[in-house]
Amino acid sequence: KQEVTQIPAALSVPEGENLVLNCSFTDSAIYNLQWFRQDPGKGLTSLLLIQSSQREQTSGRLNASLDKSSGRSTLYIAASQPGDSATYLCAVARYNNNDMRFGAGTRLTVKP
Amino acid sequence: DTGVSQDPRHKITKRGQNVTFRCDPISEHNRLYWYRQTLGQGPEFLTYFQNEAQLEKSRLLSDRFSAERPKGSFSTLEIQRTEQGDSAMYLCASSRLQGWTEAFFGQGTRLTVV
Repeated sequence: KQEVTQIPAALSVPEGENLVLNCSFTDSAIYNLQWFRQDPGKGLTSLLLIQSSQREQTSGRLNASLDKSSGRSTLYIAASQPGDSATYLCAVARYNNNDMRFGAGTRLTVKP
Repeated sequence: DTGVSQDPRHKITKRGQNVTFRCDPISEHNRLYWYRQTLGQGPEFLTYFQNEAQLEKSRLLSDRFSAERPKGSFSTLEIQRTEQGDSAMYLCASSRLQGWTEAFFGQGTRLTVV
């Protein structure tokens, strides 16, 4: 059974810092990995999708990497802003992409 | 295209009542998923449709839960005889079947059973 772990559970940083969020998974036979953002009481917003054949994806100040062999992904946020404050979730999909397994998320607070 | 739409956004019901939620996926997406999320946890998979076929159900989906996607477009999730433990956020997502399979989520339905 796929287990997804996100460390740290919570993170507080001053504005402007670069930061890294970690996601690890136990079964390397994945189809893709997706990072999401969730604001309190809201749904999930897709940030980045990394297909299993890819090593990284970039969107603006966000960069996500994937190392299937070690079962790890990282989300790098450059020059953090208070508006980045949210919970960040990673999800891995099995090879046939019929479901996603989520971590519990990292709750990020960026202080002005 | 306005993305994935869920209705209602909030639902308060008394224990024992039945409730039904609706999800309208992105129009060209073949796949539709239902998830449940409780406070402080990541979403948990409930069930998955490919077009109108329900291909997988989680063990979390007890016999009080039923989901349909009758014409391969919108989907409904019904909970019968609600219990307090059913209180959660119910999330719907959709994605393409092939190619770029990025999943997009709706805003969720917050269920409170009193």
